[in-house]
Amino acid sequence: NAGVTQTPKFRVLKTGQSMTLLCAQDMNHEYMYWYRQDPGMGLRLIHYSVGEGTTAKGEVPDGYNVSRLKKQNFLLGLESAAPSQTSVYFCASRAGLGADTQYFGPGTRLTVL
Amino acid sequence: RKEVEQDPGPFNVPEGATVAFNCTYSNSASQSFFWYRQDCRKEPKLLMSVYSSGNEDGRFTAQLNRASQYISLLIRDSKLSDSATYLCAVNKGSGGSYIPTFGRGTSLIVHP
Repeated sequence: NAGVTQTPKFRVLKTGQSMTLLCAQDMNHEYMYWYRQDPGMGLRLIHYSVGEGTTAKGEVPDGYNVSRLKKQNFLLGLESAAPSQTSVYFCASRAGLGADTQYFGPGTRLTVL
Repeated sequence: RKEVEQDPGPFNVPEGATVAFNCTYSNSASQSFFWYRQDCRKEPKLLMSVYSSGNEDGRFTAQLNRASQYISLLIRDSKLSDSATYLCAVNKGSGGSYIPTFGRGTSLIVHP
């Protein structure tokens, strides 16, 4: 049982490049979340999903897109990366109704030059 | 005003000290509350949930004050290994409308 995994762990992009971050969970959780964490800013919710095939915007969705085609995977896409998207990205999952605890992945450190 | 606020610290305390953190939230509809611990360059991990009646887990005690809209975390007999950032989290709504909001975190440094 690996829990929540994220791929890649590190990435450097040039401005304007695109990339996709993959989050996978093997706990059969319904809900999944993407956060970014910047120094002094804490965790901010980008997008989330309450089940396969559903997505919703969080606090800071601009510049990102997501997809949840399979229950176990939640993808975060950057279509045209900007230096302001340099951050650490965390994925999290939650079992579902009646379960409040979130389980986080190890994070992806992204630098946009 | 940020929805969930914490004193960023750092709190610098000697081993064996008792230290307390507070976290205030602005949305009275908030329904569940948590403390997470985050080590440097690692992911947050749940430390404990916070229940209305207060709860204790070893050296850690969490309390909720709905009237004043804050939660607290008390650490007794601090250990060097307690050095970390402590994040409070507040959840609004329920089920599918559950939106978690995190504070910016409070840094704790325990020194010998």
